[in-house]
Amino acid sequence: DVKVTQSSRYLVKRTGEKVFLECVQDMDHENMFWYRQDPGLGLRLIYFSYDVKMKEKGDIPEGYSVSREKKERFSLILESASTNQTSMYLCASSAGTGGITEAFFGQGTRLTVV
Amino acid sequence: KQEVTQIPAALSVPEGENLVLNCSFTDSAIYNLQWFRQDPGKGLTSLLLIQSSQREQTSGRLNASLDKSSGRSTLYIAASQPGDSATYLCALLSGTYKYIFGTGTRLKVLA
Repeated sequence: DVKVTQSSRYLVKRTGEKVFLECVQDMDHENMFWYRQDPGLGLRLIYFSYDVKMKEKGDIPEGYSVSREKKERFSLILESASTNQTSMYLCASSAGTGGITEAFFGQGTRLTVV
Repeated sequence: KQEVTQIPAALSVPEGENLVLNCSFTDSAIYNLQWFRQDPGKGLTSLLLIQSSQREQTSGRLNASLDKSSGRSTLYIAASQPGDSATYLCALLSGTYKYIFGTGTRLKVLA
C-alpha cells in the first residue's frame, strides 16, 4: 500500500514563526502536492512538484514556499506564520502523468497559528 | 475553467439504504476522476479511480460511474452502514498534474 506520511498531526505556532511541514511518500512517486482545506472553501492547491528540485505554484502560493531535495520528501514552509494560515494542510503524491495516475493523501496536519 | 459541483452538500439516510452521490463538472476534457472519503479531522482515503476511457469502477459495495458527455459522475453505495458516515469528495485530473476537487457531500448513516 502507498503510504504518505505527514510529520505532525497537530501543530500550534506563534505569529511570525517560520514553520516547516514535512511529507514523505514511500512509493517512488514523481508528483507531490500540498493543499490546504478550509470550511466552505474546499481543498486549494498551494504548490506541487513533478520532480526533484522542481516546483510549480498552485492557486494560493502567497506566504508559502516549498522544498524538494529528495524524491520521497516534500516540505511546505511558512516563512512568517500568520493567523490566516490556520488550517488543515494535506500532502498528496501520485505517479507519472496522464489518466492512470491515482492520488494518495497523508493524514493531514492541523496547524493553529496564535 | 473547470468547475466541480457536488450535490447535495449533506445527506442523512437510515442504515441499509442504497444511495447515490453526485459529482458534476463543466469541462469533459479530463484524464480521470477519483472518489475519496474523508473522516472528520483526517486525510483523504482513495475509494475509486475512473480513467477517462472507462465508464465505471467497482469496489465492494461501492460503484462509481463516469459520463463525460453529460459532465457527471455518481458514486453508488449499496446497503449503507453507520461506518460509511463521512464526507465524500470527487476530484478531477484536468491537465497534466492538477486535481480539481468538489466541495464534498457529508453523509450520515443512521443506525
